[in-house]
Amino acid sequence: QVQLVQSGSELKKPGASVKVACKASGYAFAYYAINWVRQAPGQGLEWMGWINTNNGSPMYVQAFTGRFVFSLDLSVDTAYLQIDELKTDDTATYYCARGSGAAGFDFWGQGTLVTVSS
Amino acid sequence: SSELTQPPSVSVSPGQTASITCSGETLSDQYAYWYQQKPGQAPVLVIYKDIERPSGIPERFSGSSSGTEVTLTISGVQAQDEADYYCQSANSSDNWVFGGGTKLTVL
Repeated sequence: QVQLVQSGSELKKPGASVKVACKASGYAFAYYAINWVRQAPGQGLEWMGWINTNNGSPMYVQAFTGRFVFSLDLSVDTAYLQIDELKTDDTATYYCARGSGAAGFDFWGQGTLVTVSS
Repeated sequence: SSELTQPPSVSVSPGQTASITCSGETLSDQYAYWYQQKPGQAPVLVIYKDIERPSGIPERFSGSSSGTEVTLTISGVQAQDEADYYCQSANSSDNWVFGGGTKLTVL
């Protein structure tokens, strides 16, 4: 069965970096995009962008350019979200979600809580 | 502010019908999607392409579309349907956007 399993919660200090992993299984990884979605505490869903798993090309929503990097390791069917120069406002749960084109975001990871605090 | 507008909350008694609306200019020519999110859990896709239901989603969940508004309807609401619901669509820049979310309370 299709699964996206994310790495565990992280506690970081401002200015540090974090790398969230999203490991896929149960399907052909390179056939579907991976999207990243942020949810701040008590807030709604915010699409950050996506990465083309076929060619590795990332696309970032404007609010997530500069400090945010999407990457892949095709040898282990895993997508990554790296956030550099962390700020307290980056405290949120980050989700990866499989993009199935017109079929929407049909499978989601369980979410990774990143807490940024001094 | 979101380009997709949802009511912040909807309340319904068990067994009744809940309707959650989502409005936005691009909905007239872009598909809409609906996600259910229960506390502490990841979102789950319940409707795609305006009206389609993924396998495993109960038949009581249905979607409809009219002009710049789409609606998620839950017939015969059950206590387990209490959750936040988000609509999603593409905006004029072909980026995905989510509505602000609607909290469904089952009285």
